[in-house]
Amino acid sequence: DIQMTQSPSSLSASVGDRVTITCRASQGIRNELGWYQQKPGKAPKRLIYAASSLQSGVPSRFSGSGSGTEFTLTISSLQPEDFATYYCLQHNNYPPLTFGGGTKVEIK
Amino acid sequence: QVQLVQSGSEVKKPGASVKVSCKASGYTFTSYDINWVRQATGQGLEWMGWMNPKSGNTGCAQRFQGRVTMTKNTATSTAYMELSSLRSEDTAVYYCVRVVGAIDYWGQGTLVTVSS
Repeated sequence: DIQMTQSPSSLSASVGDRVTITCRASQGIRNELGWYQQKPGKAPKRLIYAASSLQSGVPSRFSGSGSGTEFTLTISSLQPEDFATYYCLQHNNYPPLTFGGGTKVEIK
Repeated sequence: QVQLVQSGSEVKKPGASVKVSCKASGYTFTSYDINWVRQATGQGLEWMGWMNPKSGNTGCAQRFQGRVTMTKNTATSTAYMELSSLRSEDTAVYYCVRVVGAIDYWGQGTLVTVSS
């Protein structure tokens, strides 16, 4: 099965900062990757699909890039409502689905 | 609009089974796979398995083989996930999710607590 390595596992940042989160796949997955945001007590919400396509209704400060084995989620200017945990999810060769370990974004 | 509405919280004793339901609405139930994902408190997301609601075909992660059963009632657009031989490590929030390529919709989650 494909493994997803997500980094960092946590980070502290200030409002207005640019934040970058990375996921690496153990083998090539083309662009079959999504990014999800989860707030405490809530189900995750999709932000990005197909590695770089913005989900409808998601602010444009979120962007995704990458293909093959390395992927990035960028928040261009961190807002108070962006403090949450972020997960990548690969769906190449589904099933199975594989999540990254998560990145908790905390207030500095 | 697409909705996945799950059954309520459960408390079970070790060794028991739990069955969680997931009622789909807003789309044709048989058109897309339903998968199950769980999350222990403070931990990450773990994929459990999948079901094709049209064929009834299922599959699961190796660690759940022999313990998880996924079924459906097409007439009510409801998917079910039953986990048997529960242990304390199964305490988690269980989510049903719709898969269209990737996960696009999530249920609200069902907390299952395993405690003696």
